Amino acid sequence: QKEVEQDPGPLSVPEGAIVSLNCTYSNSAFQYFMWYRQYSRKGPELLMYTYSSGNKEDGRFTAQVDKSSKYISLFIRDSQPSDSATYLCAMSEGSARQLTFGSGTQLTVLP
Amino acid sequence: EAGVVQSPRYKIIEKKQPVAFWCNPISGHNTLYWYLQNLGQGPELLIRYENEEAVDDSQLPKDRFSAERLKGVDSTLKIQPAELGDSAVYLCASSLGTGTGPILRNTEAFFGQGTRLTVV
Repeated sequence: QKEVEQDPGPLSVPEGAIVSLNCTYSNSAFQYFMWYRQYSRKGPELLMYTYSSGNKEDGRFTAQVDKSSKYISLFIRDSQPSDSATYLCAMSEGSARQLTFGSGTQLTVLP
Repeated sequence: EAGVVQSPRYKIIEKKQPVAFWCNPISGHNTLYWYLQNLGQGPELLIRYENEEAVDDSQLPKDRFSAERLKGVDSTLKIQPAELGDSAVYLCASSLGTGTGPILRNTEAFFGQGTRLTVV
């Protein structure tokens, strides 16, 4: 079993929908939780970052971490076609230097 | 400011041939990473450098893979000989440092666009 499991998708939603992306993990030592966005044929880029538990909001994006359930989520409000990409969750025990990635969820937002 | 630069973008080689990838990190970034990304999967760390020292190469298949980071700046990753199963995207990333604690500022990893390798 992988340390980080991510909903496989693909996920297709109409423009304006609320999108929920999720990951579960088994390593209770993870403290740093990130979401990366990867456009086709590009490298991943950091979207959201959370340390320990709690919520974090940045514009249309909200990241949630529930360490008791070992579950993290990324919510995208008012989704746009430009949000179409693969979303990767990533976690680390200490700082961001040793990241364990999920397998990614491919999201398509239809205009 | 230029991001992480990788070359070539694409490479097609026959099995058993050697291949090399090059990475130029963001200026001033001390930490450099090589990741492997298979189709439909997340990146997996191959090796991490702090300046010119390889501090984590536990996932690097050392029988055929080698890496170097001369002078603590550019890095090359080599495969010799390549196998069909090596077909993947090889990503390079760099970060300013590797501090600890809740602040990401110095440890955020910036990725290059990757080199897509096809072994036939």
